Amino acid sequence: QKEVEQNSGPLSVPEGAIASLNCTYSDRVSQSFFWYRQYSGKSPELIMSIYSNGDKEDGRFTAQLNKASQYVSLLIRDSQPSDSATYLCAVNSGGYQKVTFGTGTKLQVIP
Amino acid sequence: KAGVTQTPRYLIKTRGQQVTLSCSPISGHRSVSWYQQTPGQGLQFLFEYFSETQRNKGNFPGRFSGRQFSNSRSEMNVSTLELGDSALYLCASSLAVGVGETQYFGPGTRLLVL
Repeated sequence: QKEVEQNSGPLSVPEGAIASLNCTYSDRVSQSFFWYRQYSGKSPELIMSIYSNGDKEDGRFTAQLNKASQYVSLLIRDSQPSDSATYLCAVNSGGYQKVTFGTGTKLQVIP
Repeated sequence: KAGVTQTPRYLIKTRGQQVTLSCSPISGHRSVSWYQQTPGQGLQFLFEYFSETQRNKGNFPGRFSGRQFSNSRSEMNVSTLELGDSALYLCASSLAVGVGETQYFGPGTRLLVL
């Protein structure tokens, strides 16, 4: 079983819709959770970090964490074509900066 | 503040050779982590250095090694290159004051092994 699992997609949503990206993780002691966006040919850039159960909002992005269900999600409201990228879920799996990444979900926002 | 820098950006080597990649973290960041990214395996953790010491290590063979200097700059070395080592190598830096802090990635070094 992979430590961090994401649906590879592609997830296609129309412009202006809400995109919902999901991630599950296996290590119950995980404490820190991150969402990165990666455009083709570029390096990952941080969108959100979340450490506590519940929702965390930043502009059009909302991260949701449920440690009991070992589930973290990212909602993108009012999706724009510029949001088309691969979204990586990352989990700190116990050792300082030892971070495990999911394989990413490719998002396509259709104009 | 300048971001994470990596050199070189592109590299072509042949099987059996060795390669050294360099990473300069964001000023003030003391932790440097290295990752390998391939289309099939995604981003995989190689190792993390803090204050010139390797703190964490991923599941890679001993051909992959690294070090960190007193100014927090880090190098990664791959010896006896194999075709499967072709990948994008990313380094990421963080303040590393606590556990699980945000990492900021450099642009990567794309390595092609022929």
